[in-house]
Amino acid sequence: NAGVTQTPKFQVLKTGQSMTLQCAQDMNHNSMYWYRQDPGMGLRLIYYSASEGTTDKGEVPNGYNVSRLNKREFSLRLESAAPSQTSVYFCASSEVSLPPGQRFYNSPLHFGNGTRLTVT
Amino acid sequence: AQSVAQPEDQVNVAEGNPLTVKCTYSVSGNPYLFWYVQYPNRGLQFLLKYITGDNLVKGSYGFEAEFNKSQTSFHLKKPSALVSDSALYFCAVRDGSGAGSYQLTFGKGTKLSVIP
Repeated sequence: NAGVTQTPKFQVLKTGQSMTLQCAQDMNHNSMYWYRQDPGMGLRLIYYSASEGTTDKGEVPNGYNVSRLNKREFSLRLESAAPSQTSVYFCASSEVSLPPGQRFYNSPLHFGNGTRLTVT
Repeated sequence: AQSVAQPEDQVNVAEGNPLTVKCTYSVSGNPYLFWYVQYPNRGLQFLLKYITGDNLVKGSYGFEAEFNKSQTSFHLKKPSALVSDSALYFCAVRDGSGAGSYQLTFGKGTKLSVIP
C-alpha cells in the first residue's frame, strides 16, 4: 500500500519557468490537499479538493493552479516560478465523506514525502 | 478564524524522562485537534486526535495528549522519552462547528530533541 505518492522528489527551476507537481493516492480518499512548508511557518494550505470535480483556494493560492484529474490524482502547477516559491511541497489526502448537507471534519490527513523545490 | 500556537520552537529532554510539547488553540466552534510528527525528509504522520469525549487521548508510539477546554490547550505528552522520538511535532485544529471549511490549521512546529 503506497499511500500518497509525490513526484518529483527534488526540482530546481529558474525564475519564470513552469512545472507541475504530481500527486496520487491509492486509499480511495475523497479529499486531497496541497501544502507548502517553510522554516518557522509551519504548513500552509495552498489549494484543496473536497471531492472529485471540485477545487478551492486555501491560505496561500497566489501563483499556483491545481487540477483534480480524477479521484486518485491532484496536481499543482506553477505557471511562472518565483524565488518566493522555494519551499517543500506536501500533498495529502483524507477520507471525508460528503453526503448532501453533511461534512465530517475528524479524519486525519495522510501525507506524501514531499517535493523540495528551489527557484533560482 | 482559527489558529494554533506552539510556544516552544525546541524542547530538549533526557532519554527516559517525561516529555511535554505544548499547544494552544483558538476556534469559534468546537475544536477538532490533531498531533502530527515529522521525521527528517518525510511527510507528516498522524499521531492522535481529539474530537469529543475523554480529555486524555492516547495515540501511536506511546504518546498521549490532554485536552483542556478552559485553557484552550492540547499538550502532547509521553511518560518516558526515547531517542527515536526526536522529530518535529505539529499541532493542528479544525473548527467542528459545521460552518467552516475543510481547512486544517497547523502550528509552526516544535522540534523535540531527546538526549541519550
